[in-house]
Amino acid sequence: KQEVTQIPAALSVPEGENLVLNCSFTDSAIYNLQWFRQDPGKGLTSLLLIQSSQREQTSGRLNASLDKSSGRSTLYIAASQPGDSATYLCAVLDSNYQLIWGAGTKLIIKP
Amino acid sequence: GAGVSQTPSNKVTEKGKYVELRCDPISGHTALYWYRQSLGQGPEFLIYFQGTGAADDSGLPNDRFFAVRPEGSVSTLKIQRTERGDSAVYLCASSLGDGGRGNYTFGSGTRLTVV
Repeated sequence: KQEVTQIPAALSVPEGENLVLNCSFTDSAIYNLQWFRQDPGKGLTSLLLIQSSQREQTSGRLNASLDKSSGRSTLYIAASQPGDSATYLCAVLDSNYQLIWGAGTKLIIKP
Repeated sequence: GAGVSQTPSNKVTEKGKYVELRCDPISGHTALYWYRQSLGQGPEFLIYFQGTGAADDSGLPNDRFFAVRPEGSVSTLKIQRTERGDSAVYLCASSLGDGGRGNYTFGSGTRLTVV
């Protein structure tokens, strides 16, 4: 059974720092991996999608990597801003076409 | 519409009552998903529609939960005899009918509280 784990559960850093969020999954048989952002009282916003054949994706200050064989992904945020404060979730699309989610990392960027 | 719309945004109901939650997906998205998210956890899959049919309902926790999508657009999640443990945020997402490999667009969710 696919399980997705995100570490740390919460992270607080000063504005301007670069940071890395981690996601691990137990079964490497995935179609893709996505990173989402969730703001309180709002839905989920897809940030980056990495297909199983890809190693990384970039969007602005965000870079996500995927190492399928080791079951790991990282989300790198450069030059963090207070507006980056949110909960970040990763999800893998498993062999049954189901999205399996981590519990998220709650990120706080201090001005 | 421009995004996925879910109504109501908040619902408080008494234990034992029946509730309906509505999802209006992006026009043209044939795939529709329902998820349930409890506090401090990631979303949990409930059911997936491709068009009008439920392609995968393996995530529905028990027979009190049922969902329909009669015309292949709007979907309704129905919960009978609600229990306090049903309290959660219910999220709906839609995507192009590509086997779920593409990007998902999520609604803002319905926060259900059973008292």
